Amino acid sequence: GENVEQHPSTLSVQEGDSAVIKCTYSDSASNYFPWYKQELGKRPQLIIDIRSNVGEKKDQRIAVTLNKTAKHFSLHITETQPEDSAVYFCAATPILTGGGNKLTFGTGTQLKVEL
Amino acid sequence: ETGVTQTPRHLVMGMTNKKSLKCEQHLGHNAMYWYKQSAKKPLELMFVYNFKEQTENNSVPSRFSPECPNSSHLFLHLHTLQPEDSALYLCASSQDWTSSTDTQYFGPGTRLTVL
Repeated sequence: GENVEQHPSTLSVQEGDSAVIKCTYSDSASNYFPWYKQELGKRPQLIIDIRSNVGEKKDQRIAVTLNKTAKHFSLHITETQPEDSAVYFCAATPILTGGGNKLTFGTGTQLKVEL
Repeated sequence: ETGVTQTPRHLVMGMTNKKSLKCEQHLGHNAMYWYKQSAKKPLELMFVYNFKEQTENNSVPSRFSPECPNSSHLFLHLHTLQPEDSALYLCASSQDWTSSTDTQYFGPGTRLTVL
């Protein structure tokens, strides 16, 4: 089965700096990679996702890059703000016809944006 | 946020108790999920129901018993749990289990403590 590793486990940045979180996956069949954000005491929420037919996707201050050859993908947050402080989870799953929405999650990165 | 609700939000139970967790989704989705979230570990998928039928049981001990009476409601019945079962139990829903890229929407979770 799929195995997703996520690094770092904790990340502290100064407000306005960039933050990068990296994930690697083991199953070459995986081709859908969502990222979830979980603020303290709140539910995980999807913030961005990428499919294997593209190498990069941006949405305002966040972007995700994918290297299928190396089997790794990364989340980039620019101009970080205090409200970006949260735990971020990466996930991976293959897109198979009728194959099922079965995400394998990473262990999470605790991002702290300091003033 | 009222898309996916869970009750109770907190639960303390003894190892001999029987309790149930409830999840309800108001998004018109057909797939519902139970996840276990423990500290320093990835979200672990426990069960999946699609159109009320169980499609995944991720080798979960029988002391956890799911029930899905309709596409909007999901229960997790708990019986003779162990202290290591203490965790945050998250419910999620998506439009259709067979679509791997459908966004999963999470509930706020039930924080379970087993004494």
